Amino acid sequence: QKEVEQNSGPLSVPEGAIASLNCTYSDRGSQSFFWYRQYSGKSPELIMFIYSNGDKEDGRFTAQLNKASQYVSLLIRDSQPSDSATYLCAAYTGTASKLTFGTGTRLQVTL
Amino acid sequence: SAVISQKPSRDICQRGTSLTIQCQVDSQVTMMFWYRQQPGQSLTLIATANQGSEATYESGFVIDKFPISRPNLTFSTLTVSNMSPEDSSIYLCSAQGNEQFFGPGTRLTVL
Repeated sequence: QKEVEQNSGPLSVPEGAIASLNCTYSDRGSQSFFWYRQYSGKSPELIMFIYSNGDKEDGRFTAQLNKASQYVSLLIRDSQPSDSATYLCAAYTGTASKLTFGTGTRLQVTL
Repeated sequence: SAVISQKPSRDICQRGTSLTIQCQVDSQVTMMFWYRQQPGQSLTLIATANQGSEATYESGFVIDKFPISRPNLTFSTLTVSNMSPEDSSIYLCSAQGNEQFFGPGTRLTVL
């Protein structure tokens, strides 16, 4: 079982819709969770992180964490074509002092 | 957020040679990491670059193949030794302060 799992997609949503990206993790010791966006040919850029159960909002982005279910999600409201990219979920475990990445979900926002 | 630069941005190398990639961070950071990302795949951690001591390598990566230096809190190098075409990949430097950020990457092609 992979430590951090994501559906590879592509996830296709129309412009203006809400895109929902999901991630599950296996290590209950994971303390915080990060969402990165990676455009083709570019390096990952940090969108947001979350470490407490519940929701965290930043502009059009909302991260959701449910530690009991070992589930993290990223919602993108009012999706734009510029949001088309691969979204990487990562879990941080303090004991290992490193991020473990999922394989990423490719999002396509269509006109 | 930290600004990370890498040199070279890309290189084409012959089988059997070695390439050293440099990573410079614009501020002192506690942790630096080296990742590999093969086309269409997620990030694979090669090693954690420790300041003042040997790097900590992940399973499947060894010091003889990927020697790493970290002489201070803002700089690290990764050498890819005795290269083969299987080493063709993007190599990413990453630095962690409060959050973890990535450099622009080095695209390596081995002929």
